[in-house]
Amino acid sequence: DIQMTQSPSSLPASVGDRVTIACRASQSIGTYLNWYQQRPGKAPKLLIYAASNLQSEVPSRFSGSGSGTDFALTINSLQPEDFATYYCQQSYSTPRTFGLGTDVEIK
Amino acid sequence: QVQLQESGPGLVKPSETLSLTCTVSGGSITSGSYFWSWIRQPAGKGLEWIGRMYTSGTTNYNPSLKSRVTISLDMSKNQFSLKLSSVTAADTAMYYCARERGGLVAVPFIDFWGQGTLVAVSS
Repeated sequence: DIQMTQSPSSLPASVGDRVTIACRASQSIGTYLNWYQQRPGKAPKLLIYAASNLQSEVPSRFSGSGSGTDFALTINSLQPEDFATYYCQQSYSTPRTFGLGTDVEIK
Repeated sequence: QVQLQESGPGLVKPSETLSLTCTVSGGSITSGSYFWSWIRQPAGKGLEWIGRMYTSGTTNYNPSLKSRVTISLDMSKNQFSLKLSSVTAADTAMYYCARERGGLVAVPFIDFWGQGTLVAVSS
């Protein structure tokens, strides 16, 4: 299985901040990397697919980068609704695997 | 807009079989290049991929659960199902059904999720 390691696990931040979440794959996965946002009590929501492609209707303050084993999700000008948990996921092979998540919390 | 809705018992006894159904609306499960998937999440923890099925009958299961999992499609009802046998307390989780999109040349991703259904394993 491909292991996905996210850092940090918790990220205190304030409205208006620029935050970056890192994700590392245990082997090269090209750009087979997706990012999801999960708000409390809700299902995950796709933000970014194929490492850097913004899903339809997702605000442009979200961006993704990287390839191979190292990836990043950046949120520019954090908004109140962005305080949530973020997961990376590889879709290079099965079983699909997710990172353990990054909680973006209010500082 | 595609919508997915899980249904099934919220409580299952240890050693019994967990059975869930996902009803898809707003689109046919037989159209397009989609895998119909199950993912679970224990309370306060991360996401675990259980498996998926394509309309051709192709299935992929998580090796950690493979001996206990069956995913099937009911095209006449536009539904797909999950069966997990010999459950223990460790199988207590929120269970999500989802649609994974992607063809031979595209990077697959999960674009639609159900709201989730909580299943507890307890006597």
